[in-house]
Amino acid sequence: AQKITQTQPGMFVQEKEAVTLDCTYDTSDQSYGLFWYKQPSSGEMIFLIYQGSYDEQNATEGRYSLNFQKARKSANLVISASQLGDSAMYFCAMREGLTGGTSYGKLTFGQGTILTVHP
Amino acid sequence: AAGVIQSPRHLIKEKRETATLKCYPIPRHDTVYWYQQGPGQDPQFLISFYEKMQSDKGSIPDRFSAQQFSDYHSELNMSSLELGDSALYFCASRGRPDQPQHFGDGTRLSIL
Repeated sequence: AQKITQTQPGMFVQEKEAVTLDCTYDTSDQSYGLFWYKQPSSGEMIFLIYQGSYDEQNATEGRYSLNFQKARKSANLVISASQLGDSAMYFCAMREGLTGGTSYGKLTFGQGTILTVHP
Repeated sequence: AAGVIQSPRHLIKEKRETATLKCYPIPRHDTVYWYQQGPGQDPQFLISFYEKMQSDKGSIPDRFSAQQFSDYHSELNMSSLELGDSALYFCASRGRPDQPQHFGDGTRLSIL
């Protein structure tokens, strides 16, 4: 079963507008972490934002915020005031087994969403 | 701030050759992860190390091996290379367990 699902293969947004990228996850762990990474066409993987399963507040990092709905098992990324440089592939990822100590921590990625920002 | 350093950035090999990819984690990060990202795919976990010991293993072929050295850098050794090994190989490092993994820029391996 897919652990991380990103249902939007591609998204388009006008410059300066906000966009939401969807991510749903599946886990039986009580303690886990959710991440968003940005991968430009140049290939590097850039960390954007992190949400722990026990965090009560939604994470925010500048123009990025994570809409975390635990009961629905969703962790959507919201990008406000889109910029042309935001055009990239965006991956949602999950880390399980945090309670297992430092021997755990591998990331499972979703299929990604290609975001295109139009001027 | 220092980031994860991977070398080489690009590598071209022929079938049945060997390759060694290197990863230098962020200072004071004791955990290293290796991922493989095929064309148009999401990254897949290969193997990880914590304090120089293998901590977890994913879909890593038997032809591949890896280790973490006393200075915490890691190497991924790949032998009998196949066309299907062509991919972007990422190394990531992490400090505390609740901290995010930070990725290097990757090594793009092309098998001819």
